[in-house]
Amino acid sequence: EAQVTQNPRYLITVTGKKLTVTCSQNMNHEYMSWYRQDPGLGLRQIYYSMNVEVTDKGDVPEGYKVSRKEKRNFPLILESPSPNQTSLYFCASSLRLAGARLVQFFGPGTRLTVL
Amino acid sequence: AQKITQTQPGMFVQEKEAVTLDCTYDTSDPSYGLFWYKQPSSGEMIFLIYQGSYDQQNATEGRYSLNFQKARKSANLVISASQLGDSAMYFCAMRGDSNFGNEKLTFGTGTRLTIIP
Repeated sequence: EAQVTQNPRYLITVTGKKLTVTCSQNMNHEYMSWYRQDPGLGLRQIYYSMNVEVTDKGDVPEGYKVSRKEKRNFPLILESPSPNQTSLYFCASSLRLAGARLVQFFGPGTRLTVL
Repeated sequence: AQKITQTQPGMFVQEKEAVTLDCTYDTSDPSYGLFWYKQPSSGEMIFLIYQGSYDQQNATEGRYSLNFQKARKSANLVISASQLGDSAMYFCAMRGDSNFGNEKLTFGTGTRLTIIP
């Protein structure tokens, strides 16, 4: 089954304790992206990757790192989490539908709470 | 810069009635795509429908249709014959074609739809 997976789905941690949220897709997509969702703000892009070893900042990259060593994986790293990073996080990858339409499909989300 | 505006924070609709969720957008890109996603209470983001800026016809997917009015910069989602399972948060989003390879979606703030039995 074609899908984007994220782990963990739920995480409660404390300020300053490094964590990694994993994202994996099995569709051989070049493009992957991370978003965070906050009430009243919709989803905002954190980082994206156009291919292996090619990553760049989105709109809200502060406090996050990413890597893209393999095509299928795009982990999100919080080196020193802070309470303002409490959010719902989504990983997405792009699927090309008929007619060259690119649609982003999202992982199930990771709900992160930083105390 | 791109912007999506959803002016309806919440809507209550009787089951089996049709629903229109409003979305207006702003962009300077000549070519762009418009999307609607559904987010049920379980949290996942479900792709519903896509409209390209150069598409001549409005997009339809089952009970979902997109009322695309380019001159007015609106892309309203229409759900026909609403069902209880349609209760969810709905997001309008767009992707411009001048993002130099970044497929970034710009999202609105969402509309929470509640279907009343």
